[in-house]
Amino acid sequence: DVKVTQSSRYLVKRTGEKVFLECVQDMDHENMFWYRQDPGLGLRLIYFSYDVKMKEKGDIPEGYSVSREKKERFSLILESASTNQTSMYLCASSPPGLVSEAFFGQGTRLTVV
Amino acid sequence: EDKVVQSPLSLVVHEGDTVTLNCSYEVTNFRSLLWYKQEKKAPTFLFMLTSSGIEKKSGRLSSILDKKELFSILNITATQTGDSAIYLCAVWVRSQGNLIFGKGTKLSVKP
Repeated sequence: DVKVTQSSRYLVKRTGEKVFLECVQDMDHENMFWYRQDPGLGLRLIYFSYDVKMKEKGDIPEGYSVSREKKERFSLILESASTNQTSMYLCASSPPGLVSEAFFGQGTRLTVV
Repeated sequence: EDKVVQSPLSLVVHEGDTVTLNCSYEVTNFRSLLWYKQEKKAPTFLFMLTSSGIEKKSGRLSSILDKKELFSILNITATQTGDSAIYLCAVWVRSQGNLIFGKGTKLSVKP
């Protein structure tokens, strides 16, 4: 059974902290994605990666960075958390090619206070 | 700019009703369109559509794609309270693999 695992379901962090959100997939997928989901705005792509050490900016990369040192792991980093980064963060992975489903993790609800 | 637009944004129906959810897109290098259902957790996959006019069906859910008019519909017949969820439409674009989503349709099915 395919699995995408996000390290935390809920996180509370203080403004200015450096925050790491981890995502691991066990399907040997090349593509991995980070989205944030906010009411009324849907899923917005922050970054995606199509290979180890490769990354591409999505629609809203400001305030975020990513790291993909191993194929199975894709990390999202908030360099200095702010209250407007309070959101649900979803990680996904998919095989190469653009005719397959993307598999999602359970999400991390991050609150920045 | 690539975009995916879903309508309506929210919908309230009664059990037994039939609903049609819409998804239109304007993207570069369209590859395929996906539908997901999201309850209180991760989105779960429903359908993938790549060819026009071919209906995909699973139980009471069905979907079809029109690549000429750039839209897809998701139909749910004989709705049940368990169908209450956010339905997401997403499109694969560009050669590197960028999956972009619409804002979703929030469906509420009342008993």
